[in-house]
Amino acid sequence: EVQLVESGGGLVQPGGSLRLSCAASGFTFSGSWMSWVRQAPGKGLEWVANIKPDGSDKYYVDSVKGRFTISRDNAKNSLYLQMNSLRAEDTALYYCARTYSHCWDPWGQGTLVTVSS
Amino acid sequence: QSALTQPPSASGSPGQSVTISCTGTSSDVGGYNYVSWYQQHPGKAPKLMIYEVSKRPSGVPDRFSGSKSGNTASLTVSGLQAEDEADYYCSSYAGSTYVFGTGTKVTVL
Repeated sequence: EVQLVESGGGLVQPGGSLRLSCAASGFTFSGSWMSWVRQAPGKGLEWVANIKPDGSDKYYVDSVKGRFTISRDNAKNSLYLQMNSLRAEDTALYYCARTYSHCWDPWGQGTLVTVSS
Repeated sequence: QSALTQPPSASGSPGQSVTISCTGTSSDVGGYNYVSWYQQHPGKAPKLMIYEVSKRPSGVPDRFSGSKSGNTASLTVSGLQAEDEADYYCSSYAGSTYVFGTGTKVTVL
């Protein structure tokens, strides 16, 4: 069974940092594009970033460029999102998802990031 | 990029059909055949329903169908069932980035 489990969310002050993790199982992680997608409370979905299977190419939504870094460890079947200089508007449920044919399937259950003083 | 435009709500009685539109631009929906649709029930993660405009993943009922004309994509749910009541989001590739729709709440009357 394909499974994605996110962790690392929590409460952080504006300007702070957080590192999210996503543990993958049930598929060939090292051969898959992977993404982070977020959803602010009561709002819609927003693509955040994605990364090529070998980690050589990474893409970001403009609002997080220079602050967030997506990375992966294929030996550990894990995806990461390092988030720095966090802002209130980054408050959201962050999902990791396997990416193929420019769509996302499946999705993890999400990890909540709250940026507040 | 701006979000794709979807109607806030749609509804239908059991057995009826409902169609949700998703309007973008020539830089996203109109420029690529990479439109996908997601179903999200309250408190749950999104689920892929349609990809590449009209393809259904394994396990998705054939009551769900997708199409595209110009800068507008559409999702049709035929033979509405109670479990189809959910939020639906479209998404499109936009050339190294992605944009989602504003979301549509489907109510089964």
